[in-house]
Amino acid sequence: GAVVSQHPSRVICKSGTSVKIECRSLDFQATTMFWYRQFPKQSLMLMATSNEGSKATYEQGVEKDKFLINHASLTLSTLTVTSAHPEDSSFYICSAREVGGDEAFFGQGTRLTVV
Amino acid sequence: GNSVTQMEGPVTLSEEAFLTINCTYTATGYPSLFWYVQYPGEGLQLLLKATKADDKGSNKGFEATYRKETTSFHLEKGSVQVSDSAVYFCALSDKVLTGGGNKLTFGTGTQLKVEL
Repeated sequence: GAVVSQHPSRVICKSGTSVKIECRSLDFQATTMFWYRQFPKQSLMLMATSNEGSKATYEQGVEKDKFLINHASLTLSTLTVTSAHPEDSSFYICSAREVGGDEAFFGQGTRLTVV
Repeated sequence: GNSVTQMEGPVTLSEEAFLTINCTYTATGYPSLFWYVQYPGEGLQLLLKATKADDKGSNKGFEATYRKETTSFHLEKGSVQVSDSAVYFCALSDKVLTGGGNKLTFGTGTQLKVEL
């Protein structure tokens, strides 16, 4: 099956700094990528949908200026958590949909801890 | 809005035991239903899906039937193996047929541990 690589798998950063998470489709081109976050014992919540070459669509309640999404190519989307705070500590997961396809493939997730 | 409720884990079973992970949903319209599995250190993988009422999805010995009357999509397997140890997510999409590529609403996930 198609492979989506997410990097890093774990990151610890200091409060006030920014962290970038990468999501790459390794063997296919992805027109659409999705970013989710998951708090302990809670559901995966969709944060935003990004389409290659255009602005991301954010879900209600997600701060655009805090969670910057860039989908500059058909194989790479990045999520930057700006001025991170401890409450941003969470598990972030991306998924990518192949051009013309209807199934999305998931990365392995990134555990972010802000101290 | 849409929501998915699944049983809390962890669920610990002995090898060859019968598995049921309950999943119920709330949705407007006629959603598609999915089970995803996440093995340690890997991304979520689609395990099975059903797109309409009474459909049964099956894969790798796992089954789930779309029950509209009870708004449920319980995951079952007759004989689990140690290699089935993973986290299982129930999810729905309000787009018929094309679930994975559209907005998915997930349950909290249920960790399954299978011991020898």
